[in-house]
Amino acid sequence: SQQGEEDPQALSIQEGENATMNCSYKTSINNLQWYRQNSGRGLVHLILIRSNEREKHSGRLRVTLDTSKKSSSLLITASRAADTASYFCATSGDSGGSNYKLTFGKGTLLTVNP
Amino acid sequence: DAGITQSPRYKITETGRQVTLMCHQTWSHSYMFWYRQDLGHGLRLIYYSAAADITDKGEVPDGYVVSRSKTENFPLTLESATRSQTSVYFCASRADPNRQPQHFGDGTRLSIL
Repeated sequence: SQQGEEDPQALSIQEGENATMNCSYKTSINNLQWYRQNSGRGLVHLILIRSNEREKHSGRLRVTLDTSKKSSSLLITASRAADTASYFCATSGDSGGSNYKLTFGKGTLLTVNP
Repeated sequence: DAGITQSPRYKITETGRQVTLMCHQTWSHSYMFWYRQDLGHGLRLIYYSAAADITDKGEVPDGYVVSRSKTENFPLTLESATRSQTSVYFCASRADPNRQPQHFGDGTRLSIL
């Protein structure tokens, strides 16, 4: 079963607006990662946040992690049409063989309208 | 060029045929993975490998076989293809499981008629 679940499933915004996507998971994690997938392409890693971190920034991306609520959010500021893609969260377990397997959610489809 | 490459990019075959999807990475990453991506299911792990000659089942391994005789290659074989295996298949590799991201190939779109 999927560990991470993204919300919303789809999001449509205007260029320049901010986009927020959420991810919830069920079990303890070592880290949580966000990936982007453009249509017809593989997934591209965006940002990794470890379980002992609460917030991380990378350019226009801001990721937060709340381990007490088992949730994370990805904020894309000042969105561009080129940000149109599917966004996935993925969790890495914190014990034994689960720490190197990533479990993905079903993704959020972000559409940024020019 | 460094990276992870999958071949073929597109494949059409018939039920009952054997088909092998190739994956090659140039980083010497220890960990390699095969996923399938289907509408409504997201990415599901088929098989993974922690090193050469070490492989293990993921979430949906039935009908698939893998091998890893060399660190850089991780082929996925469908021994007798079924229509339910029509999907987009992604290979990925990873160095340190606790600190490093996973790198994905561009996928193989497989259609089984």
